Amino acid sequence: QVRLEQSGAEVKRPGASVRVSCKAFGYVFTSYYIHWVRQAPGQGLEWLGLIHPSGDKMKTKYAQEFQGRVTLTRDTSTSTVYMDLSSLRSEDTAVYYCARGLFEFSYVYLHSWGQGTLVTVSS
Amino acid sequence: QSALTQPRSVSGSPGQSVTLSCTGTSSDVGAYEYVSWYQQHPGKAPKFIIYDVTKRPSGVPARFSGSKSGNTASLTISGLQAEDEADYYCFSYAGTYTYVFGTGTKVTVL
Repeated sequence: QVRLEQSGAEVKRPGASVRVSCKAFGYVFTSYYIHWVRQAPGQGLEWLGLIHPSGDKMKTKYAQEFQGRVTLTRDTSTSTVYMDLSSLRSEDTAVYYCARGLFEFSYVYLHSWGQGTLVTVSS
Repeated sequence: QSALTQPRSVSGSPGQSVTLSCTGTSSDVGAYEYVSWYQQHPGKAPKFIIYDVTKRPSGVPARFSGSKSGNTASLTISGLQAEDEADYYCFSYAGTYTYVFGTGTKVTVL
């Protein structure tokens, strides 16, 4: 059974960085894209980026608005994808989700979702 | 990439049908057959309910259906049920590993 397990809530100061992890269970980790999406309190969903866990750097892409601030990496030994967000500001306060693609090597859908990680940025 | 436009809210009585629209541009919704829809209940992660504009993943009730015409995609919920009360988001591929969500629609079951 496919499952994505995310790390716990974080509280950060403005200007700091945060790392959120997403550990995959129940499928071949290196065959499926992982997307990251966030949702600010009371707001809609916003796409951040995606990574293919095979490690091909050509298959790691970021939303233009987050270029330079977000970095996605993976550790195949633990089937974990990491999302690092730097230069945090109050507007980055949100629930961050990871989500797996629908088919092997397919990058257009968000089939299975993690439970979400609340990141709070506050002085 | 600008968010796709969805009505803020839609409502219907149990058993009725409601249709949610999702309007994009010729660079996203109008350019690709890669539109999907997600249902989100309060405090929960989104759930994948439609892909390839019209297809339903395994386990999604047949009362959910999708369509597209030009730059506008639509989600229809037929035979509305109390558990369908939730927020709904469309999502489209926009080329070169670029993606965009809709603004979201709150469905209320009267």
